[in-house]
Amino acid sequence: GDSVTQMEGPVTLSEEAFLTINCTYTATGYPSLFWYVQYPGEGLQLLLKATKADDKGSNKGFEATYRKETTSFHLEKGSVQVSDSAVYFCALKRGGGTASKLTFGTGTRLQVTL
Amino acid sequence: EAGVTQFPSHSVIEKGQTVTLRCDPISGHDNLYWYRRVMGKEIKFLLHFVKESKQDESGMPNNRFLAERTGGTYSTLKVQPAELEDSGVYFCASSQASSGNTIYFGEGSWLTVV
Repeated sequence: GDSVTQMEGPVTLSEEAFLTINCTYTATGYPSLFWYVQYPGEGLQLLLKATKADDKGSNKGFEATYRKETTSFHLEKGSVQVSDSAVYFCALKRGGGTASKLTFGTGTRLQVTL
Repeated sequence: EAGVTQFPSHSVIEKGQTVTLRCDPISGHDNLYWYRRVMGKEIKFLLHFVKESKQDESGMPNNRFLAERTGGTYSTLKVQPAELEDSGVYFCASSQASSGNTIYFGEGSWLTVV
């Protein structure tokens, strides 16, 4: 079945450091890939997405590129801020009908300090 | 436009009691999903409604869980009787009819069974 593997957290960085959170997936066909973020006390928010190979999703300074050859969708940001502290979830979705559900990774907690 | 809203936001109940969680999707969204995150693990799919019909309920853990979406608008998820392992965050999400559309999440209902 489908699965998503994320790097273990927590990740602790100083402000302005470079961030990478690794995500790899296993799925049949050509899934869409997503990063969701959960800030403290809030719900899940879509951060970015990519729907086909080599697409790059970007938002709020975060980027992730859909790499089919390595089945990866790593999240990166060049300079993190304290306000980026949150839990980040990588997810995939294969399509419509019964396949339209999201499959999530375990989440990676990011803590950014001054 | 209002987002996905869930009620209650937090609930503490005793083992053996019943809890009903409610979700109001974004207006006009035919797809409604329930997910659950238990004890810091991955977010797992529970079930998917298309309007009032259950499209996929493969993630429902057992028959103590009952989801309904009468009239194809709001949905309820009842846990009866609740067990300790049911503690976690229950997320509701919705999306428009097309399979390519983004899935939007609510803030979650935090359930603690003691």
